[in-house]
Order: sequence, then C-alpha cells, then structure tokens
Amino acid sequence: KQEVTQIPAALSVPEGENLVLNCSFTDSAIYNLQWFRQDPGKGLTSLLLIQSSQREQTSGRLNASLDKSSGRSTLYIAASQPGDSATYLCAVRRGGGGNKLTFGTGTQLKVEL
Amino acid sequence: KAGVTQTPRYLIKTRGQQVTLSCSPISGHRSVSWYQQTPGQGLQFLFEYFSETQRNKGNFPGRFSGRQFSNSRSEMNVSTLELGDSALYLCASSLPGTGNTEAFFGQGTRLTVV
Repeated sequence: KQEVTQIPAALSVPEGENLVLNCSFTDSAIYNLQWFRQDPGKGLTSLLLIQSSQREQTSGRLNASLDKSSGRSTLYIAASQPGDSATYLCAVRRGGGGNKLTFGTGTQLKVEL
Repeated sequence: KAGVTQTPRYLIKTRGQQVTLSCSPISGHRSVSWYQQTPGQGLQFLFEYFSETQRNKGNFPGRFSGRQFSNSRSEMNVSTLELGDSALYLCASSLPGTGNTEAFFGQGTRLTVV
C-alpha cells in the first residue's frame, strides 16, 4: 500500500527566504507526481506535474524534483512571498492505469512580512 | 476555459438523510475522481469514473456511491448520513489514460452532518 509522507508538517519563514518542502513515498512504481497548494476552505490548485521519467519541472519561482528510485520529491520555492502562505500537498499516481492519487498529509506554510 | 465546477458549495444535512453532490469536469476530460478531505484523515480517494464506468474504488462503505453521465458530469451519493461524513468533498477531472494526466480540482462541497 502506497504511503506518502510530507515533512515538515508546518513551516513559518520570513518573506524572501528560499525554502524546500519534502515529500516521500514508499512504492516507487509511480506514473507521476503532482504538487498542489490549498488555501483554507478551498479546492486544490495544481502547481507542477512530474512524470516518472523526468527529474524536475519548473514554473516561475517553483521547482520540483523527483528521485523515483529513492521515493522522494522536493518542492523548492524561491524568494517566498506572503501570498505563498497555504498548505502544500504532494500526490502520487500509481502505474497501471487509472487516475487515483495518493496524497501526503501536507505542509502548512506561513510566510511572514 | 472553464474549470471543474462542483455544486452545491455548502450543505447541511441531518443524520440518516441522504445527499447528492455534483461535479462538472473540464470540457474534454472524461475521467472524474472523488475525494473526501477531513482534518483527521486528510485526502482520501473515494472512486474514479471514466466513460460512465467506475474504474477505481477506495476503501469506503457501500453508502458512498457514484455515477457518471454521457457528458462526463458525475454525481456522488451518500446514503444514511453519519456525523463522521462531515467533510470537504472534492472532485478532480483529468484526461484519461497515458500521457498528461494532470488532475484539476473543483472548489469542493462542504458537507456538514448534524
């Protein structure tokens, strides 16, 4: 059974810091991995999708890496801003068909002025 | 283009009642998945529908059911509601099969059971 863990559970940083969020998964037979952000009481916003054959993906100030063999992914946020405050979730999609996502428990990020 | 639309946004129901939630996927997306989010259990997969057929199912009791229509819109139904069913229910749509299967989520339906 796939298990996804995110560390840290919560993080508070001053504005402008670069930060790294971690995601680990127990079964490396994944099809892809997706990072999301969730604002309180809202749905999930897709940030980045990394296919299992890729090592990293970038979008603006965000960079996500994937090391499938070791079961790890990191989300790097450069020059953090208060608007980045949210919960960040990683999710893995297994191979073999279907779109079932297994989610981590999330990292709650607060960026302070 | 329009995103994933879930209705209603909020619901309050009484124990024992049943409820139906609706999800309209992004145009062209034929895969629709449902998730339950609670503070204690996080995000848990309920089921996935593709081409009007259930393709995957999570570990939820039979009180939770769903269906998909020919236009890819999906509904989920929860019968005999329990207090523990209070949660944010999220729907995701994706292109099916291989290739880019990025999931896009709706804003969710907040269900409160009293």
